[in-house]
Amino acid sequence: RKEVEQDPGPFNVPEGATVAFNCTYSNSASQSFFWYRQDCRKEPKLLMSVYSSGNEDGRFTAQLNRASQYISLLIRDSKLSDSATYLCVVNVDGGFKTIFGAGTRLFVKA
Amino acid sequence: NAGVTQTPKFQVLKTGQSMTLQCAQDMNHNSMYWYRQDPGMGLRLIYYSASEGTTDKGEVPNGYNVSRLNKREFSLRLESAAPSQTSVYFCASSENGYEQYFGPGTRLTVT
Repeated sequence: RKEVEQDPGPFNVPEGATVAFNCTYSNSASQSFFWYRQDCRKEPKLLMSVYSSGNEDGRFTAQLNRASQYISLLIRDSKLSDSATYLCVVNVDGGFKTIFGAGTRLFVKA
Repeated sequence: NAGVTQTPKFQVLKTGQSMTLQCAQDMNHNSMYWYRQDPGMGLRLIYYSASEGTTDKGEVPNGYNVSRLNKREFSLRLESAAPSQTSVYFCASSENGYEQYFGPGTRLTVT
């Protein structure tokens, strides 16, 4: 079993749709959690950190459930520019050992 | 402020050849990382350096060596390249071991 597992995708949604991505992690000692975005043939870039209380950044909402070892990302009012791969990321070992999920591909259509 | 830079951008090697991938950051970050990314596999951590003078193995260290030359620079060496090392290699840096900033990547093909 992979340490971090994500919905395989791809997700194909129309502009304006709401889409949710899920991620589960296996190491209960995981300490911090993130969502990164990666455009085709580019480097990953931090989208947002994920806090235990849940957090929101504009159209993006992230949730963490430590008991279920589950992380989610909700994108509201999808834009064409949201088309990318979304990577779930977990840190262990004092934050220095980083495990990436394989990513979920999103296509937003006009 | 260039962030994280990597050289070269592209490289083709023959099996058995050696090469060093260079990475530098100008953000005065303590931690640096090397990843490889293969289709369908996500990014996998090869080695990391929590601070200047230290290096540790990640998930897939076999076939690689690293050097943390100073606080700015972290190099990755392939001593004897194999076709299984064909991949995209990303370097990253972080102030505190959490949020990471990535370089543009090196696309390596081993024939």
